[in-house]
Amino acid sequence: DSGVTQTPKHLITATGQRVTLRCSPRSGDLSVYWYQQSLDQGLQFLIQYYNGEERAKGNILERFSAQQFPDLHSELNLSSLELGDSALYFCASSARQGGGSPLHFGNGTRLTVT
Amino acid sequence: QKEVEQDPGPLSVPEGAIVSLNCTYSNSAFQYFMWYRQYSRKGPELLMYTYSSGNKEDGRFTAQVDKSSKYISLFIRDSQPSDSATYLCAPDQTGANNLFFGTGTRLTVIP
Repeated sequence: DSGVTQTPKHLITATGQRVTLRCSPRSGDLSVYWYQQSLDQGLQFLIQYYNGEERAKGNILERFSAQQFPDLHSELNLSSLELGDSALYFCASSARQGGGSPLHFGNGTRLTVT
Repeated sequence: QKEVEQDPGPLSVPEGAIVSLNCTYSNSAFQYFMWYRQYSRKGPELLMYTYSSGNKEDGRFTAQVDKSSKYISLFIRDSQPSDSATYLCAPDQTGANNLFFGTGTRLTVIP
């Protein structure tokens, strides 16, 4: 068990809708990362937060947003959903914000957009 | 050019075989090299962590880094059916704010 908790495990929704994915990092970890994994794209970095502040953005669409709360849990909001947004969304946490610190992953939220 | 290139496989081997998984990378600033293992329907988990060039052994697993050729390898000896998973390489550097992953190699070990 990595200590990272993601909810819900599965989400099925329709195009045009909005969903929120939640992540609780490992105890003591200040950095939270969001990744999207689809069959043909591998793990794609979306966004990173450190102690409540956004630190880095990757290939995150404008329809997607995230935040990290004072208790360090994070939420990823996906809006105006399209069929192509169907994927596994992983949250990971680490102790530091810089490089060289291994990431600890949750088991993901599987999003299906119909 | 992608930051990390990895042969996606799939790779199928008999139990007991030696497995070699490989990645190449383009950024010479990478200093830390990780391998993650991902079982079906699970999140990736850290398998091996090395710093700079050289070899690191942990049980049946050996990670090898050649910074001069920007080449990373993971060797699995005496492979077991429980090793069946997708293996992702992930090089990293000081000050980086995200981790680049290879696309992963899917390995199946046949009993």
